[in-house]
Amino acid sequence: ETGVTQTPRHLVMGMTNKKSLKCEQHLGHNAMYWYKQSAKKPLELMFVYSLEERVENNSVPSRFSPECPNSSHLFLHLHTLQPEDSALYLCASSRDRGGNEQFFGPGTRLTVL
Amino acid sequence: AQKVTQAQTEISVVEKEDVTLDCVYETRDTTYYLFWYKQPPSGELVFLIRRNSFDEQNEISGRYSWNFQKSTSSFNFTITASQVVDSAVYFCALSEAYLTQGGSEKLVFGKGMKLTVNP
Repeated sequence: ETGVTQTPRHLVMGMTNKKSLKCEQHLGHNAMYWYKQSAKKPLELMFVYSLEERVENNSVPSRFSPECPNSSHLFLHLHTLQPEDSALYLCASSRDRGGNEQFFGPGTRLTVL
Repeated sequence: AQKVTQAQTEISVVEKEDVTLDCVYETRDTTYYLFWYKQPPSGELVFLIRRNSFDEQNEISGRYSWNFQKSTSSFNFTITASQVVDSAVYFCALSEAYLTQGGSEKLVFGKGMKLTVNP
């Protein structure tokens, strides 16, 4: 399998649930990213990991918790979300930070009831 | 601060028409990178092109061409002889160059432009 994969593709959860989104890249990249894409807002960068170290947390609420166990895998742990967190969550990777093109996964469509 | 503006939010054309997607950016950095991405209905953003701020040469790739004008801070994208498969949301994005310790570079996206190509 090549490129960036994300699972699940669709997720419906209640506000009291705990779930995790998974991202895996098969490109040998060193940087990985989480983005949020809402219907009425531009793409919002949430987190950046470089060489498994979190280098950016873009003022994201603590109910979103990222984890990067190795350079190929990235998780987004979700707990006590709000309905306004419903969105498309996109994972991306790039060779390094600093102007390299990012390659995106297909996204997880999250609905919070 | 970085900013990317895609003034057009939605365009509808008939197949075989040419269409130009506008992108205007703002940055204080002298070294930066510009990108175009395509997001088809399936949701995945597809990388189309990356240009650095020192390379103003226009580029053509098949039916796609890009016009980078540093003097007007624009990086416009033209699709020639559009096809139904070109229907998607197109995003322009800007990234400043990697900064040393304490800095961080972000990919800042425009709001996107929805292109519909009708048969």
